[in-house]
Amino acid sequence: GAVVSQHPSRVICKSGTSVKIECRSLDFQATTMFWYRQFPKKSLMLMATSNEGSKATYEQGVEKDKFLINHASLTLSTLTVTSAHPEDSSFYICSARPRESGTTQYFGPGTRLLVL
Amino acid sequence: AQKITQTQPGMFVQEKEAVTLDCTYDTSDQSYGLFWYKQPSSGEMIFLIYQGSYDEQNATEGRYSLNFQKARKSANLVISASQLGDSAMYFCAMREGKNQGGKLIFGQGTELSVKP
Repeated sequence: GAVVSQHPSRVICKSGTSVKIECRSLDFQATTMFWYRQFPKKSLMLMATSNEGSKATYEQGVEKDKFLINHASLTLSTLTVTSAHPEDSSFYICSARPRESGTTQYFGPGTRLLVL
Repeated sequence: AQKITQTQPGMFVQEKEAVTLDCTYDTSDQSYGLFWYKQPSSGEMIFLIYQGSYDEQNATEGRYSLNFQKARKSANLVISASQLGDSAMYFCAMREGKNQGGKLIFGQGTELSVKP
């Protein structure tokens, strides 16, 4: 099956620093990638839809200046949490939809962010 | 309004027995898709089964089957012959019509515990 990777798998940073999370589709091209946030024992909340070569579409309530998304190529999307604070600590998961598929999304393994 | 509802925060099942996880949805679209994902403690999202709104037969994938009742707007997951490895969080998700860009809306999740 299709593989999506995320890097790093976990990161601890100091409050006020910025953290970049990468999402890569390893064996397919993804025109669309999605970024989710998940709190412990809670549902996945869609943050934004990332389209290759264009600006990301953010969900209501998500600060686009706080969570910068760049989809620079058909295999890579990045999420940068700028000036991170403890309340940004969470599990961030990306998914990628292959160019050929209108239905299937493949999820990355997630990134655990802890802001001290 | 909640579009995907999972009313069972937690469920217990005896090993080798069958279990049904409930999911109801709300949409005005005629074309939509329903998904079930398993999330073990490691955090990865594992795709289990998919049902399209126009599919006349209930989807099945090995020990997983989806009890799709369109008029009731329910898409319950049935796991037969439960195994200890089935213990995990289970999420129901919906993809609405094509103009939504393929994004998924997730339910609150059900934590399944399989007892030996």
